[in-house]
Amino acid sequence: AQSVTQLGSHVSVSEGALVLLRCNYSSSVPPYLFWYVQYPNQGLQLLLKYTSAATLVKGINGFEAEFKKSETSFHLTKPSAHMSDAAEYFCAVELPGSARQLTFGSGTQLTVLP
Amino acid sequence: DSGVTQTPKHLITATGQRVTLRCSPRSGDLSVYWYQQSLDQGLQFLIQYYNGEERAKGNILERFSAQQFPDLHSELNLSSLELGDSALYFCASSVGSMNTEAFFGQGTRLTVV
Repeated sequence: AQSVTQLGSHVSVSEGALVLLRCNYSSSVPPYLFWYVQYPNQGLQLLLKYTSAATLVKGINGFEAEFKKSETSFHLTKPSAHMSDAAEYFCAVELPGSARQLTFGSGTQLTVLP
Repeated sequence: DSGVTQTPKHLITATGQRVTLRCSPRSGDLSVYWYQQSLDQGLQFLIQYYNGEERAKGNILERFSAQQFPDLHSELNLSSLELGDSALYFCASSVGSMNTEAFFGQGTRLTVV
């Protein structure tokens, strides 16, 4: 079975500060990993995905994530937060070769303070 | 705009009733996925259809059913509704049946009173 743990249901950062959203996974085989963002009253938008190529993955809006197998982690970072980054962020895992049965973490609400 | 259209956006209904949620996938996408987002359960995969056939099933209740029609739109039917079924229901679509990017619609917010 696979699962995803997002540490911290709420994270607050000041505008211009580093954003770090944590995600750890447990899977019997190396999974595919995703970060999605959900703005208020919107659907989920894919930020980036790891599919066993480069371990450092760059996504949209200046976000990136690094796959660390030894730590079973896939933390999301952005060097400088912008007010428009305020949203809920979901980490998700999928077993390679499976249908798109994404298993989502519980989400992290990011607040950006002026 | 992801290109995935869900209707209605909001739905309020009483316990015991039956509702149908509709999803139109992006043009050219053959796969449709349904997810439920609730406060207590988070985001959960319900079911997937690929080109009209059920491909995968997740945590979908027996009171819930879905289908994908020849024009590739999909409907999620929820019956004998309970208060706990109140949630945001997302549809997503993708070109292939696996390991291809899925695009999500804006969801249908169901409130059961």
